[in-house]
Amino acid sequence: EDQVTQSPEALRLQEGESSSLNCSYTVSGLRGLFWYRQDPGKGPEFLFTLYSAGEEKEKERLKATLTKKESFLHITAPKPEDSATYLCAVQARGEGKSTFGDGTTLTVKP
Amino acid sequence: KAGVTQTPRYLIKTRGQQVTLSCSPISGHRSVSWYQQTPGQGLQFLFEYFSETQRNKGNFPGRFSGRQFSNSRSEMNVSTLELGDSALYLCASSLEVGGAKNIQYFGAGTRLSVL
Repeated sequence: EDQVTQSPEALRLQEGESSSLNCSYTVSGLRGLFWYRQDPGKGPEFLFTLYSAGEEKEKERLKATLTKKESFLHITAPKPEDSATYLCAVQARGEGKSTFGDGTTLTVKP
Repeated sequence: KAGVTQTPRYLIKTRGQQVTLSCSPISGHRSVSWYQQTPGQGLQFLFEYFSETQRNKGNFPGRFSGRQFSNSRSEMNVSTLELGDSALYLCASSLEVGGAKNIQYFGAGTRLSVL
């Protein structure tokens, strides 16, 4: 059974204080790993997809990396508007369903 | 390009009733998946449809059902509602199933409260 574990559960940062979120996974044949951002009362917003170990993607202050067992979401010099819950999900080859972690709730204080 | 549209946004029902939720995928997307999100269980997969066929089903009781129409729009139905069915129900659409373009894009969800 596919499993995704995210840590920490919650993270509080000061504006400008860089940090990383972790996503550990087990899947029978990884097709893709996905990062989403979710704001309260809204659906998850797609951020990145990574397909193979060593791959990296960047978008503004966010950078996602992937190894064979885990992914990191690095946040550089965060701003208060980066406050949200960040979700990690995996898909196995040949499947369309995603298995999600419980998320990391990030709070960035000005 | 319009995103995934879910209706209604909010629903209040009582135990024993049934409910139908609707999802219109992004234009051109043929795969629709449904998820249940609760504070205790996170996002749990319900089912997935492609070209009007259910391709995958999660570990939910038979009270949860769904269907997809020829225009790719999808509905899910929950019969004999229980208090524990209170959740945010999310619909996600993607171009295809299991392929390289299978990025799932989510709607805003339907918040169901069962009293």
